[in-house]
Amino acid sequence: DAKTTQPPSMDCAEGRAANLPCNHSTISGNEYVYWYRQIHSQGPQYIIHGLKNNETNEMASLIITEDRKSSTLILPHATLRDTAVYYCIVTSYGNKLVFGAGTILRVKS
Amino acid sequence: GAVVSQHPSRVICKSGTSVKIECRSLDFQATTMFWYRQFPKQSLMLMATSNEGSKATYEQGVEKDKFLINHASLTLSTLTVTSAHPEDSSFYICSAKEGQGTGNTIYFGEGSWLTVV
Repeated sequence: DAKTTQPPSMDCAEGRAANLPCNHSTISGNEYVYWYRQIHSQGPQYIIHGLKNNETNEMASLIITEDRKSSTLILPHATLRDTAVYYCIVTSYGNKLVFGAGTILRVKS
Repeated sequence: GAVVSQHPSRVICKSGTSVKIECRSLDFQATTMFWYRQFPKQSLMLMATSNEGSKATYEQGVEKDKFLINHASLTLSTLTVTSAHPEDSSFYICSAKEGQGTGNTIYFGEGSWLTVV
């Protein structure tokens, strides 16, 4: 599986956009970038995924660089409920998701 | 999104006994399910991959005879922790893949807290 690198923590002001970076320089051509988040003591929640095009849904936007070596998850208007650990995961064949340490996002009022 | 349900959400068992955790995909068929374990303040650790109708594939270091996985139908996988000990106390989480192919979404259950006393 391609390895991902995320900052250990980030702060964001409530109402502002939260931009969470992820590096995956060893990603291969058929691997997808997935983002999940985990709020304390709950199972991970799916946010978004993409292969090479930028993606947007009701929760977030995913921006993938042209060389696919990095991506950014954007929460357009962060709320206190968005405080969680955010995981960027690159899949291997069979979609086995291997979790790293993730980024702790703290949204502050 | 699709719903994955786990039961029980919390269980306490005595040391030496076995406990079963169920994972169900409620509104889709899941040919593949995954089981994870998470200790406090740590990330999720993948234990095994479960395919409907076949034996589970365990990650390195996970004892298959201790963590029995059965995926008998397209909507149900079970994890049985056999001869549980206090060190098996953890948060167990399952996930299920909607559809086949490498780009499909994987949804997670709410998790099950196991405490072995």
